[in-house]
Amino acid sequence: GAGVSQTPSNKVTEKGKYVELRCDPISGHTALYWYRQSLGQGPEFLIYFQGTGAADDSGLPNDRFFAVRPEGSVSTLKIQRTERGDSAVYLCASSDIAGGRETQYFGPGTRLLVL
Amino acid sequence: DAKTTQPPSMDCAEGRAANLPCNHSTISGNEYVYWYRQIHSQGPQYIIHGLKNNETNEMASLIITEDRKSSTLILPHATLRDTAVYYCIVRVENAGNNRKLIWGLGTSLAVNP
Repeated sequence: GAGVSQTPSNKVTEKGKYVELRCDPISGHTALYWYRQSLGQGPEFLIYFQGTGAADDSGLPNDRFFAVRPEGSVSTLKIQRTERGDSAVYLCASSDIAGGRETQYFGPGTRLLVL
Repeated sequence: DAKTTQPPSMDCAEGRAANLPCNHSTISGNEYVYWYRQIHSQGPQYIIHGLKNNETNEMASLIITEDRKSSTLILPHATLRDTAVYYCIVRVENAGNNRKLIWGLGTSLAVNP
């Protein structure tokens, strides 16, 4: 079946601009995660949704970052007033929580470059 | 902060078993160990996970020590397509039952012909 998809695959923007990154999770998955991965590093947790609500947003670096999931499926990560340090690969994952045996399935990521 | 430490790189001959070690000495009793791999420019791919018993699936085996302070991922017959960065991860869970994966830097495995 279809996996997690993310659009766009690449995004180039200028410092100070606003960007939106989209994630389509696996159908039926209730949990959705956003991570950020800088070059040579492992993914870094940003935010976790259970259904429509953000259950844990402790990883968002500052108030320029915001994410929504209004209908409990597609999610959008929004970055205001982008800075060059925001350049990274933004990864989305979804899971169907089944007790302790949860498995997160990742999308291919969106590569964001802020000039 | 990452809860795991791994060697930065390893080599393995094609067709041989690849044994990737991981230390997680501060792991708590209800925290699972997960392994993912990431092939260049792709999203992470799930491999296997476990709590305290050894696990095996079609991709790999996971051996967890009795004290749970370390584990080993075993790829029984490595192929060139197994060349990737392998991440050993601890899944933490807070008081609100919110879970997240805490990633380290991973091991870059090179499978050589």
